[in-house]
Amino acid sequence: EAQVTQNPRYLITVTGKKLTVTCSQNMNHEYMSWYRQDPGLGLRQIYYSMNVEVTDKGDVPEGYKVSRKEKRNFPLILESPSPNQTSLYFCASRPQGGYGYTFGSGTRLTVV
Amino acid sequence: DAKTTQPPSMDCAEGRAANLPCNHSTISGNEYVYWYRQIHSQGPQYIIHGLKNNETNEMASLIITEDRKSSTLILPHATLRDTAVYYCIVRVVWNAGNMLTFGGGTRLMVKP
Repeated sequence: EAQVTQNPRYLITVTGKKLTVTCSQNMNHEYMSWYRQDPGLGLRQIYYSMNVEVTDKGDVPEGYKVSRKEKRNFPLILESPSPNQTSLYFCASRPQGGYGYTFGSGTRLTVV
Repeated sequence: DAKTTQPPSMDCAEGRAANLPCNHSTISGNEYVYWYRQIHSQGPQYIIHGLKNNETNEMASLIITEDRKSSTLILPHATLRDTAVYYCIVRVVWNAGNMLTFGGGTRLMVKP
C-alpha cells in the first residue's frame, strides 16, 4: 500500500532530551515536507526537501533539523526540545510532477 | 499564494449533496485550486484540484466559476464518514517554497 509512515504516533519527552521523529514513504516521491499543527494556527511548514540532499526551511524552522540522505526517508530532529514544540506533526510527500500530497498519520509530541 | 475564504462550518444531511464554497478573488492565472480534508487529527487527505475547468473524480466534483474567483466542492452523496474539516488552497503547482498554506477551512458536519 502506498503510504507515508511516521513513527512514533505518540511521544512524551522532557525538555532538552534530543529526539527524532521518522518519516518514510514507499512511493518514490521527490518532495517531502514536515508540518506542525496547533490549535488556531493551522498547519505550518517546518522544512521541506525537493530531493536527496536538498532541503530548505519552511515557515517555522527554529528548533528543528532535517536530513534527506535517502529518497524514502526524511527524519525530523529536535536537538533540544522545549515545551513550545508540543504539537501535532505531519510528514507529507508528493512526486515531482504530481499535484496532491500524501500525508502521514501524524505524531503527537508533548514536551514537559 | 492567493488567500481563500471559506465559511467556518456547515451541516449536511446524510445522503444529500454537500456543497462547500470557497472564495479566491485574488487568484492569478497560474494558480490551481486544491481541496484537502482532515478527519479529526488524522493527516490531511488530498481530494481534488483544478485550474479552470470543472473536475470530477471518485471522491468529489470541483466547480470553478468562469472568472475563477470562486469555486465549490461537491460531495454528491455525503456520508457520516465525510464529517471533516475541508480546506480550499490556491497555489502555483511548483512554487519555490513547495508549501501548502492551510487556512481555517470549513468544518462539515454530516448528520443522520
